Amino acid sequence: AQKVTQAQTEISVVEKEDVTLDCVYETRDTTYYLFWYKQPPSGELVFLIRRNSFDEQNEISGRYSWNFQKSTSSFNFTITASQVVDSAVYFCALSEAGQGGKLIFGQGTELSVKP
Amino acid sequence: GAVVSQHPSRVICKSGTSVKIECRSLDFQATTMFWYRQFPKQSLMLMATSNEGSKATYEQGVEKDKFLINHASLTLSTLTVTSAHPEDSSFYICSARGSERGGLGNIQYFGAGTRLSVL
Repeated sequence: AQKVTQAQTEISVVEKEDVTLDCVYETRDTTYYLFWYKQPPSGELVFLIRRNSFDEQNEISGRYSWNFQKSTSSFNFTITASQVVDSAVYFCALSEAGQGGKLIFGQGTELSVKP
Repeated sequence: GAVVSQHPSRVICKSGTSVKIECRSLDFQATTMFWYRQFPKQSLMLMATSNEGSKATYEQGVEKDKFLINHASLTLSTLTVTSAHPEDSSFYICSARGSERGGLGNIQYFGAGTRLSVL
């Protein structure tokens, strides 16, 4: 069965701290995709990254970086030097090939960055 | 690119009325759109998958006669909440899926959501 677990419900940090959001997934498929989305208080989900199961390269985009490890079924997200504007709920999601693009979401992690 | 517009952003209606929510992909064609419902402090719950030109596929437990979905074109899907009741009050979000061929990498792009309040 497919499942995404974000064990951290809420995280609070002070501006400029680094923070890592954990994501663990379960799937029996060998071909799948992993995503991170950001949901600010306004409500819209903003796409951040997609990774396919054959690409374990870590990715860095500005202050954001992602660590994909198939051995531990994890796809963690790190924000370096956090800013108040990073405050949002972050969702990790899984999509299996052949499932018509359906996303299975984790429960989300609410990040609060305080000045 | 990959902008999804959802309208209205907020609606307040009386119990028993029907409410229509529109979801448009503004700069790409989407053969597949999705409708989600989100309760406060919770994750997104998939309600249905909408494919252009065919009937929507509803998730288990979602009443298809209650939540009517129409996907008449490659850029527009609508969700109609029929005879809305207070328990239908929620945040509804749509998404449109890009395509590899279109360079959008099979990614779901989301609208800004509609907050429905039924009195």
